[in-house]
Amino acid sequence: AQSVAQPEDQVNVAEGNPLTVKCTYSVSGNPYLFWYVQYPNRGLQFLLKYITGDNLVKGSYGFEAEFNKSQTSFHLKKPSALVSDSALYFCAVRDDNYGQNFVFGPGTRLSVLP
Amino acid sequence: DSGVTQTPKHLITATGQRVTLRCSPRSGDLSVYWYQQSLDQGLQFLIQYYNGEERAKGNILERFSAQQFPDLHSELNLSSLELGDSALYFCASSRLTSGGAPGQYFGPGTRLTVL
Repeated sequence: AQSVAQPEDQVNVAEGNPLTVKCTYSVSGNPYLFWYVQYPNRGLQFLLKYITGDNLVKGSYGFEAEFNKSQTSFHLKKPSALVSDSALYFCAVRDDNYGQNFVFGPGTRLSVLP
Repeated sequence: DSGVTQTPKHLITATGQRVTLRCSPRSGDLSVYWYQQSLDQGLQFLIQYYNGEERAKGNILERFSAQQFPDLHSELNLSSLELGDSALYFCASSRLTSGGAPGQYFGPGTRLTVL
């Protein structure tokens, strides 16, 4: 069965510093990996995805994520955090052997401090 | 704006009642997904429809049911409501069902409060 772990409930970073939000996954087939962001009282917004190809994926708002097959990880990164990046971040995985069932991680709350 | 619409925005009801949540997917999207987001359970996948047919089932209770209509809008029916059903219910849509992996586009959600 598919699973996603986000080991940190909360990540705090100072504005201007690099940020990393961690995600590890488990699937039986090849993973399709996604990051979503949720702002207060809003739905989830798609940030980026990894399907195949280059392990470094670039997405919206300056975010990028690195796929590491050997470590089964897909960490979200940004070189310089903004206060407006403060939100709840979800990692999700879809197993290409498992149809369309997306599994979301528990979420990581990012706080960027001015 | 994701292009996915959900109504109503807020719903307050009593235990034992039945409610219907409605979702209209983005234009051209054939897949609709329903999720429940609560503080203690996180984001839980409930069910997926593709072009009117049920495609995948997640942690959906027997008291809950859904359907997708010919015009592709979807409804989630919640019956015999319990206090624990209070949550945000999200609908999401995507374009493809096989091959590739499109991202899902989420609606703004319906906040259900069961008193």
